[in-house]
Amino acid sequence: AQSVAQPEDQVNVAEGNPLTVKCTYSVSGNPYLFWYVQYPNRGLQFLLKYITGDNLVKGSYGFEAEFNKSQTSFHLKKPSALVSDSALYFCAVYTGGFKTIFGAGTRLFVKA
Amino acid sequence: EAGVTQSPTHLIKTRGQQATLRCSPISGHTSVYWYQQALGLGLQFLLWYDEGEERNRGNFPPRFSGRQFPNYSSELNVNALELEDSALYLCASSSLKGEKLFFGSGTQLSVL
Repeated sequence: AQSVAQPEDQVNVAEGNPLTVKCTYSVSGNPYLFWYVQYPNRGLQFLLKYITGDNLVKGSYGFEAEFNKSQTSFHLKKPSALVSDSALYFCAVYTGGFKTIFGAGTRLFVKA
Repeated sequence: EAGVTQSPTHLIKTRGQQATLRCSPISGHTSVYWYQQALGLGLQFLLWYDEGEERNRGNFPPRFSGRQFPNYSSELNVNALELEDSALYLCASSSLKGEKLFFGSGTQLSVL
């Protein structure tokens, strides 16, 4: 079965420190991988995507993600966290069949 | 460019009633996706419409239905509402099949 796992319900980090939000996937073939962010009372916003090419993908708001095929992971990273980064983050995989599967989400808290 | 718009923002119904949620995609987007975001359950795929046709359906009962109009806007109908239908319903659109999704802010449905 195709799936996306975000093993952490919540990540806490101090402002200015690096952050990592983890994602692993299980799909057949070569997946399209995405990260989305959701702020309170809002829909999801696209952050970045990986389709092919460089394993390190840069996205919006200083975020980047590293694709690791052997570990089937696509972790979201940022070198220096901001309080305004506090939000709910979703990893997603486009599986073909025109359906995107989302992880359960990870809530990021950045403390000043 | 106007984003994906959803109405109403909030909807309160009682058990057994019907709810109708509406979505207008970004101009030029022909695909509309509906997701349910229930508390603690992440995003669950409901329906995909493209060019006026239902193309794919998630694991939801038939009382969840919808349609897409010639202008590509879409309705989601939920019949015989149950308490567990209370959730945020998100609509997304895309121009390329399965590619980056653009989300609306959602309709918060509360079933009492």
